[in-house]
Amino acid sequence: QVQLVQSGAEVKKPGASVKVSCKASGYTFTSYDINWVRQATGQGLEWMGWMNPNSGNTGYAQKFQGRVTMTRNTSISTAYMELSSLRSEDTAVYYCARRLKTWFDPWGQGTLVTVSS
Amino acid sequence: DIQLTQSPSFLSASVGDRVTITCRASQGISSYLAWYQQKPGKAPKLLIYAASTLQSGVPSRFSGSGSGTEFTLTISSLQPEDFATYYCQQLNSYSTFGQGTRLEIK
Repeated sequence: QVQLVQSGAEVKKPGASVKVSCKASGYTFTSYDINWVRQATGQGLEWMGWMNPNSGNTGYAQKFQGRVTMTRNTSISTAYMELSSLRSEDTAVYYCARRLKTWFDPWGQGTLVTVSS
Repeated sequence: DIQLTQSPSFLSASVGDRVTITCRASQGISSYLAWYQQKPGKAPKLLIYAASTLQSGVPSRFSGSGSGTEFTLTISSLQPEDFATYYCQQLNSYSTFGQGTRLEIK
């Protein structure tokens, strides 16, 4: 079945970077964009950006421009999201999701990133 | 950026009730709207896409309607498993989500 499996929880210090992976299975990885969404505890969903796994093209929400980088390794059907200059407000669950036309499905299980000194 | 405003933000209802959640876009988004259900500790689950198309496997008590700037999600007869948070999402221009509607048992 179509599945996205993300890497495990991370704890980082302020100013550090984090790289979250998202491994796709059950479909052709290069055929659909991967998007990233985050959710702080008790808060709503916040879209971060997208990546086309075939071309490597990306588009980022303005809020994250300059701090986020989305990449992929097509040989292992894995997408990555790296967020730099971490601050406490970046503590959240980060999700990857496959985009199908105008919706996201499926979603990864989420990766908790905790930023704490 | 396109903003999505959901109403209400919080809804208390009973099993068997019919409930409607509204999502308003700050500018026209045609039918590029999806609805998701999220339960605590879980990833969002797709319910409706293209404003009114029911995702495979989703019970028929869920329905969506609207186009342009105003959209609704209706649950015709609430079941215990429907108590969750619901989000709308636009994909007309990049993507944004509504702030969510928390549906609780009365």
